Amino acid sequence: AQSVTQPDIHITVSEGASLELRCNYSYGATPYLFWYVQSPGQGLQLLLKYFSGDTLVQGIKGFEAEFKRSQSSFNLRKPSVHWSDAAEYFCAVGEMNYGGSQGNLIFGKGTKLSVKP
Amino acid sequence: DGGITQSPKYLFRKEGQNVTLSCEQNLNHDAMYWYRQDPGQGLRLIYYSQIVNDFQKGDIAEGYSVSREKKESFPLTVTSAQKNPTAFYLCASIKGRTSMNTEAFFGQGTRLTVV
Repeated sequence: AQSVTQPDIHITVSEGASLELRCNYSYGATPYLFWYVQSPGQGLQLLLKYFSGDTLVQGIKGFEAEFKRSQSSFNLRKPSVHWSDAAEYFCAVGEMNYGGSQGNLIFGKGTKLSVKP
Repeated sequence: DGGITQSPKYLFRKEGQNVTLSCEQNLNHDAMYWYRQDPGQGLRLIYYSQIVNDFQKGDIAEGYSVSREKKESFPLTVTSAQKNPTAFYLCASIKGRTSMNTEAFFGQGTRLTVV
């Protein structure tokens, strides 16, 4: 079965420091990969997505992610973290043929990011 | 502005009661989804619907029911059979019928608490 693993439950970084959030997936074919961000008590917002082509994708708010097929990874990065980036981040894979014909999103369990002043 | 509206934002339920969470979208999206979120568990799929008058069970459908009488609306009923309903519930919609390669739009969520 398809799965998404986010190894880090909670990460704390200093404001201005670089950030990397890890995501590994298990999927038989070429995956469709997403990163979403959730502020406390809110819904999820799409940061970026990868379907094909250039393996380094740019997203909103200065985030980027790199798809590495050999490592089954899609890590999220940001060169300089701002206090407003404190939130929970979810990696997801678009699954084909869930239930036979429909598609579905499989989410990781999330990584909570705290930012120190 | 187009979007997804969930209501209410906070909901309290007594033991043994059924409650219904509302989800409305004006994005003209075909597919709609209900997820349950618990701390440290990520998002787990309850039900989804690709078209009107059709819906499918997700991974944790027991104790929940849905309907899809209109394209814009996908209400979720948490029944008394759901033994641990306290959670944050998120509704999402997607243009087209599959979410493989399409952005999902989420509502702001409903926090349900059993009292």
